[in-house]
Amino acid sequence: EAGVAQSPRYKIIEKRQSVAFWCNPISGHATLYWYQQILGQGPKLLIQFQNNGVVDDSQLPKDRFSAERLKGVDSTLKIQPAKLEDSAVYLCASSLDLGGKTQYFGPGTRLLVL
Amino acid sequence: DQQVKQNSPSLSVQEGRISILNCDYTNSMFDYFLWYKKYPAEGPTFLISISSIKDKNEDGRFTVFLNKSAKHLSLHIVPSQPGDSAVYFCAAKWGGGADGLTFGKGTHLIIQP
Repeated sequence: EAGVAQSPRYKIIEKRQSVAFWCNPISGHATLYWYQQILGQGPKLLIQFQNNGVVDDSQLPKDRFSAERLKGVDSTLKIQPAKLEDSAVYLCASSLDLGGKTQYFGPGTRLLVL
Repeated sequence: DQQVKQNSPSLSVQEGRISILNCDYTNSMFDYFLWYKKYPAEGPTFLISISSIKDKNEDGRFTVFLNKSAKHLSLHIVPSQPGDSAVYFCAAKWGGGADGLTFGKGTHLIIQP
């Protein structure tokens, strides 16, 4: 069974530019999560989807971050405009359904904002 | 405020010995706890979990202990092997509609030959 796929793996941009990350969850997983992991910290939840609906986006900086999961499968996370403090690894995870006990993580996208 | 705390940034253990990784939490609403293992340039990989109704869960060389009254859990690895060298994250969640994980900062475990 294929795992969670993410692309790109690395991205370098200048501040005030925009960037987008893509995630394809494990087949059949209804719940999808985006986490931000800053160096030296644990992952922090940004947004959670159940199918194509948002369950929790309370920690998403909505003035610059947006995310969508239009068809309930793939998801994109966008930052516009990027700030220096957005430099982090962006992790996508999926679980079978809401309340799923185990989340499966992708390899992450490492973003560096200069 | 950190709701999940891993106070040891790193831990060095000799191969064959027991590794004990500790985690404390402050939010009494948490009812499910997980340990993830992370290698460099990879995403976290699920290792073992425990529900708040239990105080111990075992899976091969890995055992997780939960002390609810102390709001403390620990991961025991016996015996420790070189491939266990990684960063270990403690995570917690509570039941309900939104179930994103709250992670600690991680402990870097180094297994010495």
